[in-house]
Amino acid sequence: ETGVTQTPRHLVMGMTNKKSLKCEQHLGHNAMYWYKQSAKKPLELMFVYSLEERVENNSVPSRFSPECPNSSHLFLHLHTLQPEDSALYLCASSLGLAGDYNEQFFGPGTRLTVL
Amino acid sequence: GQNIDQPTEMTATEGAIVQINCTYQTSGFNGLFWYQQHAGEAPTFLSYNVLDGLEEKGRFSSFLSRSKGYSYLLLKELQMKDSASYLCAALDSNYQLIWGAGTKLIIKP
Repeated sequence: ETGVTQTPRHLVMGMTNKKSLKCEQHLGHNAMYWYKQSAKKPLELMFVYSLEERVENNSVPSRFSPECPNSSHLFLHLHTLQPEDSALYLCASSLGLAGDYNEQFFGPGTRLTVL
Repeated sequence: GQNIDQPTEMTATEGAIVQINCTYQTSGFNGLFWYQQHAGEAPTFLSYNVLDGLEEKGRFSSFLSRSKGYSYLLLKELQMKDSASYLCAALDSNYQLIWGAGTKLIIKP
């Protein structure tokens, strides 16, 4: 248990569906992240929030929409996804952004399959 | 561009020592992280280096040379449970982690 939870753990959706991924951290951290992990590829940073403000959007397609209502919760809203979006989506949190404050604690991930 | 290079796969024997190398090129540098990821699980933090030199933490040690853009993770007294992927990540000037693709370490009896 890392103190970061994600739901659902598995999700299968069609290309026309709308779904949301949820992440919650119980660590009192100030920064939260969404990553995409595909087989044999580096972790891809999608979104970073610090103190509930979006810090970085790494050219992520608009079919992915993040929401950070407070410092403990992070959502990833999904709509009209493509099969190539199938991957493991990881949420992480850290105390801050700088130096060793950036030690990230990861949730177990959501395995997403787009049909 | 920003880039992290590490070997794709390594094999070692139980009880032995293995060194996993990582080279990085980033826009600015604010430290180097190593994470361990077992198959089907999330990454977990192993170490952080920002100054040159060796940091020892039990069976695991991590080394950094900022001038060479180089780090390594040293695992001693290997155990079967050390079979996992080891991810190298560098923190750039925007405080973004740039990740390597990971080194899959296979431990044989």
